Amino acid sequence: QAVLTQPSSLSASPGASASLTCALRSGINVDTYRIYWYQQKAGSPPQYVLRYKSDSEKQRGSGVPSRFYGSKDASANAGILLISGVQSDDEADYYCVIWHSGAWVFGGGTRLTVL
Amino acid sequence: EVQLLESGGGLVNPGGSLGLSCAASGFTLNTYSMNWVRQAPGKGLEWVSSITSVGDKYYAGSVKGRFAISRDSAGNSLYLQMNSLGVEDTAVYYCARRDGYDVFDLWGQGTVVTVSS
Repeated sequence: QAVLTQPSSLSASPGASASLTCALRSGINVDTYRIYWYQQKAGSPPQYVLRYKSDSEKQRGSGVPSRFYGSKDASANAGILLISGVQSDDEADYYCVIWHSGAWVFGGGTRLTVL
Repeated sequence: EVQLLESGGGLVNPGGSLGLSCAASGFTLNTYSMNWVRQAPGKGLEWVSSITSVGDKYYAGSVKGRFAISRDSAGNSLYLQMNSLGVEDTAVYYCARRDGYDVFDLWGQGTVVTVSS
């Protein structure tokens, strides 16, 4: 089982909200991890979106709109990237990342399509 | 301008070796943790290796023993020596800087490595 599992795709209509999940493998407690999120548009390197550990420890990247925010779902043992008021420019692949057992682990990525 | 520029990619036979470079401008590379991250064609991102500001080195299990990360003493360039390459190492290799909050905050444009006979 992968350390981080992300849905491969998600679609959202302009103006709607999109919730991108990043599930941690059973036995790895999401509460103890800082989760980083990156956005990658076609043909470009990734860009930092935000990091989230708790409401008291979080940071959005420079220039990242307040429409992007992070949270966790303890019951699902998952990190969440929520995008409100989705725009066409948000269409991209999104990756979650953690530092686990001496390695940086990337999730498989979620392709967000704005319909 | 603060930027990273990778070079050294190319076509190599399975079992061969290749060395990648990453030139930093606008900042001193050895004051940061520096990283290599790769992306196979049509696939997701995979962390490859890191070197911290104090010189500690870390490797993904898939490359340990085959790849070696290093940097020059002047703090301008990062390197990745790749040996015993297999087709599974075919990817775009990105150089990335990590800041004090462990954010990969600066990325290069990547260099393409193709392992094929």
